[in-house]
Amino acid sequence: IAGITQAPTSQILAAGRRMTLRCTQDMRHNAMYWYRQDLGLGLRLIHYSNTAGTTGKGEVPDGYSVSRANTDDFPLTLASAVPSQTSVYFCASSDSIGGQPQHFGDGTRLSIL
Amino acid sequence: DQQVKQNSPSLSVQEGRISILNCDYTNSMFDYFLWYKKYPAEGPTFLISISSIKDKNEDGRFTVFLNKSAKHLSLHIVPSQPGDSAVYFCAASGHNQGGKLIFGQGTELSVKP
Repeated sequence: IAGITQAPTSQILAAGRRMTLRCTQDMRHNAMYWYRQDLGLGLRLIHYSNTAGTTGKGEVPDGYSVSRANTDDFPLTLASAVPSQTSVYFCASSDSIGGQPQHFGDGTRLSIL
Repeated sequence: DQQVKQNSPSLSVQEGRISILNCDYTNSMFDYFLWYKKYPAEGPTFLISISSIKDKNEDGRFTVFLNKSAKHLSLHIVPSQPGDSAVYFCAASGHNQGGKLIFGQGTELSVKP
């Protein structure tokens, strides 16, 4: 079934550790996005990528980095995790940066202790 | 500064009745609006959208209304079913957002049998 795969599903991590959340899509979409969902705040954009080889900052980029080496993969890295990064992370894609709708993965629940 | 607001965190409706979910926005440059539905432990899924050139879009039991002068949109579900119980997010995009989505905080709908 075509779609977006995120891994891991959930993770508990000690503060200060490095963590990479994986995201793979098989729809050949050009644009990909990372959001975090927090209660009372909805989904907020962390980083995005218009196409392979390019990335941009969203609303809440601090403490996160991304790379887009190819069309299918868009990993999100927390270089040194902090408790405020405890959240549910969603990866999404669309056929272009302005293309709608965006299609979402099932999320990664991350707890930083 | 929340550009897209859903002021009702929750809504409870009887099966068969109408559910009305509301969303307000502040940015007059938004020109495309979407509603997403989210079940627990799953990613958001696209439900219905509307362009700013329209004031209504209908898809089966779901209708979205847009009032540009009031900067307000609403999602009507008629008749409501228990399977509609989920969190609903409205989202907006515009050319000054580079096509990226701005989400509201979400409204949790509970449809009781």
